[in-house]
Amino acid sequence: GAVVSQHPSRVICKSGTSVKIECRSLDFQATTMFWYRQFPKQSLMLMATSNEGSKATYEQGVEKDKFLINHASLTLSTLTVTSAHPEDSSFYICSAVGDWEETQYFGPGTRLLVL
Amino acid sequence: KQEVTQIPAALSVPEGENLVLNCSFTDSAIYNLQWFRQDPGKGLTSLLLIQSSQREQTSGRLNASLDKSSGRSTLYIAASQPGDSATYLCAVSNTGNQFYFGTGTSLTVIP
Repeated sequence: GAVVSQHPSRVICKSGTSVKIECRSLDFQATTMFWYRQFPKQSLMLMATSNEGSKATYEQGVEKDKFLINHASLTLSTLTVTSAHPEDSSFYICSAVGDWEETQYFGPGTRLLVL
Repeated sequence: KQEVTQIPAALSVPEGENLVLNCSFTDSAIYNLQWFRQDPGKGLTSLLLIQSSQREQTSGRLNASLDKSSGRSTLYIAASQPGDSATYLCAVSNTGNQFYFGTGTSLTVIP
C-alpha cells in the first residue's frame, strides 16, 4: 500500500528556534497533503491543507506566519514551526491523498518538544 | 461546521467479547466516513472507509455501519483480542478530502 514518511520522528528544541518537519509520499504522487496536530488526550485537529505548487490553506486559528508550509513537489511537503514555544509542543501528523483514490494515507507523526 | 462525537471515551472489555464503538456527526451531508486506529505515540492506521452511498463496510473482524440520516456510525469489533487495544478515531469528510475527527475511544482488551 501507499506509504507516507515523516522526518524527524522526534525533535527537541529550545524556545525561539525554528523546526522543520518533512512529509513524503514514498511510492505515489500526492497533489494534496494535510497537516494535523494532536495535543495529549485530544483528537487530531487539521491545521492546513497543502496543495502542490500553490499556497497552503490554513484552518481558522492557525497562524500561517508561524506554521510555514511548503509543498514544493508532488512527493514532499514541509511544515516549519517558526520561533517555537513550549505551547507548540505537540504531535504533528501529515497525510497525503493519492491521485487515484480518496483515502488519506497518514505519516507516522513527529513528536515536537519545545523546552 | 461539522462536529464529531465519539462514545464512550474509554472502554475496557475482557478478551473474546464483541464490542461496539459509536460515532455521531452533526452535518449529515457527508462525503465519506473513515475509522482509524491510533496506537500510543504512533500515526494513524486506516481501518475502514465508508462512502456516503454505502451502509456498511467489513474487514476481517471489523464491521462499520453508516446511517447518514441520523448522523451515526458504529464500529463493531468481533471476538476482541488484546492486540486490539488502541484508540479508535472516527472522521467524517464533507468534501472528499478534509476530515473532521472525533475525540476517540480508548479501548483496552483485558487478556
